[in-house]
Amino acid sequence: EPEVTQTPSHQVTQMGQEVILRCVPISNHLYFYWYRQILGQKVEFLVSFYNNEISEKSEIFDDQFSVERPDGSNFTLKIRSTKLEDSAMYFCASSSLYEQYFGPGTRLTVT
Amino acid sequence: GQQLNQSPQSMFIQEGEDVSMNCTSSSIFNTWLWYKQDPGEGPVLLIALYKAGELTSNGRLTAQFGITRKDSFLNISASIPSDVGIYFCAGQAAGNKLTFGGGTRVLVKP
Repeated sequence: EPEVTQTPSHQVTQMGQEVILRCVPISNHLYFYWYRQILGQKVEFLVSFYNNEISEKSEIFDDQFSVERPDGSNFTLKIRSTKLEDSAMYFCASSSLYEQYFGPGTRLTVT
Repeated sequence: GQQLNQSPQSMFIQEGEDVSMNCTSSSIFNTWLWYKQDPGEGPVLLIALYKAGELTSNGRLTAQFGITRKDSFLNISASIPSDVGIYFCAGQAAGNKLTFGGGTRVLVKP
């Protein structure tokens, strides 16, 4: 069964450093998303991406964040200068329309 | 922004029991989705609902999309130990963004 994959599973970085989180969405899906989940809290929407552009973003997704689909298979989330409060699980998801399928997540720890 | 209130926050189950949880919102959603999340993993889609009043089953799971489009419930019948986990409701209004509830943590009675 096709699934969303994410790398790395765990990333530790120092405050102020740039990180890139990578995702391979399900191959025939057209919509791509990033969500995050701070430990013990609900899943929060960051950004949706369709037709090579951002279709919607939340207040969390400020100018420190960017997304890219550099080729036909990868979808990346970049945080330019990480802050302590960026520590969370980051989930990539993809959909053909409404049903979103999530990857296993990347645990980002900012020290 | 839109908020989803999910209840109960946690519950203990005994094998064989039926379990029920629900989500309510002050605003309308066009689609309701229910997910299960195991520790350290991503949410796994259980059921998707598209029409007000719709009742959908997936094995021992049954979910309904409320008539007002502001609520949804999930039932698990004849619970088994692997039903333990966190269940999230999620709603879609305009656009594809999902708004998640706070989750219902299902635990096994000691």
